[in-house]
Amino acid sequence: NAGVTQTPKFQVLKTGQSMTLQCAQDMNHEYMSWYRQDPGMGLRLIHYSVGAGITDQGEVPNGYNVSRSTTEDFPLRLLSAAPSQTSVYFCASSYAGGGSYNEQFFGPGTRLTVL
Amino acid sequence: AQTVTQSQPEMSVQEAETVTLSCTYDTSENNYYLFWYKQPPSRQMILVIRQEAYKQQNATENRFSVNFQKAAKSFSLKISDSQLGDTAMYFCAFMKRTGANSKLTFGKGITLSVRP
Repeated sequence: NAGVTQTPKFQVLKTGQSMTLQCAQDMNHEYMSWYRQDPGMGLRLIHYSVGAGITDQGEVPNGYNVSRSTTEDFPLRLLSAAPSQTSVYFCASSYAGGGSYNEQFFGPGTRLTVL
Repeated sequence: AQTVTQSQPEMSVQEAETVTLSCTYDTSENNYYLFWYKQPPSRQMILVIRQEAYKQQNATENRFSVNFQKAAKSFSLKISDSQLGDTAMYFCAFMKRTGANSKLTFGKGITLSVRP
């Protein structure tokens, strides 16, 4: 049981380049989400998904796209990277049960630098 | 929308002493969860403690305990017998109890240093 995995761990991009951050979980969790962590800002929700084929925007969605074709995977796409997207990105997953507590499991994070 | 405020950016404590980290939040919800997460230099997010808003009793996990004041919307974390391994960034977080999703709203975090 690998939990939540993220690849790559580190990435450097040039402005305007595109890339996909990968996130996978092997716990059959319905809910998956992406957060970004910036100094002095805490973690902020980018996009989330409550199941395959269902995605929605979080607090800071601009500049990012997501899709959820399988339960296991939830990739985050940067179509045209900007220096403002320099951040540490975390993927998280949990069961999605209405009204009950479901612990969120976090991946190890991806540190992205956009030059 | 919910907001979580951690007003102290940094704190320092001597090893073996007790330290309290503060957190306030704002919400119109009545049913929710509150959390403290620890992020050591490894960057991994670790759940420290959880409090259900409908429970009056404060949660405790070994050396970690909370002081939950629902009316005041305050949720502080007390670390007893501080250890060097407690050095980390700590985040307070909020989650609504209703609905199918599990969105977390985080505070900005506080950096805790434990001095030997």
